[in-house]
Amino acid sequence: GAGVSQSPSNKVTEKGKDVELRCDPISGHTALYWYRQSLGQGLEFLIYFQGNSAPDKSGLPSDRFSAERTGGSVSTLTIQRTQQEDSAVYLCASSLVGRETQYFGPGTRLLVL
Amino acid sequence: KQEVTQIPAALSVPEGENLVLNCSFTDSAIYNLQWFRQDPGKGLTSLLLIQSSQREQTSGRLNASLDKSSGRSTLYIAASQPGDSATYLCAVPSGSARQLTFGSGTQLTVLP
Repeated sequence: GAGVSQSPSNKVTEKGKDVELRCDPISGHTALYWYRQSLGQGLEFLIYFQGNSAPDKSGLPSDRFSAERTGGSVSTLTIQRTQQEDSAVYLCASSLVGRETQYFGPGTRLLVL
Repeated sequence: KQEVTQIPAALSVPEGENLVLNCSFTDSAIYNLQWFRQDPGKGLTSLLLIQSSQREQTSGRLNASLDKSSGRSTLYIAASQPGDSATYLCAVPSGSARQLTFGSGTQLTVLP
């Protein structure tokens, strides 16, 4: 079956612009995670959605970052007023609750000039 | 706070060698441990997941072991091939969201 998909695959933007990154999880997966992978920081957790529960936003680095998940499926990560330090690969993962294994998408490579 | 360390950071071996990648974690109260592979410019591919009650898990030429009490896991790759060249990451879930805490990875190069 189809895996986790993310779009766009690459995004170049200017400092100060807003960007939206999209994630389509595996069908039926109720848990969805966003991570960020940057040079020197490795992979870090950003936000977690589980079903209709309030998201766990404990990993978001600043209030410029937000995310939503509509209908328990597609998720959008929004970065407002982008900064150069936001340049990274943004990875989305989904899982079946109780199965633990997280399946990752190919990522969105964001470059802020 | 859970910390995950991987040694070595990079490894280069000739084709056909058996090799071991190491992962250590500071908090032994883990649910499971997962090994991933990441190819350049790609996302993460799950290789093996070991539950906390298990001591090892095998998939093809890969064997992962887990010693919770000592905070260590190893990934054994038998008869390495050039196609095994990639970065290997280990990760453990932590926090209420069971978000993964990752090691920094081991970059493996298998020379033909």
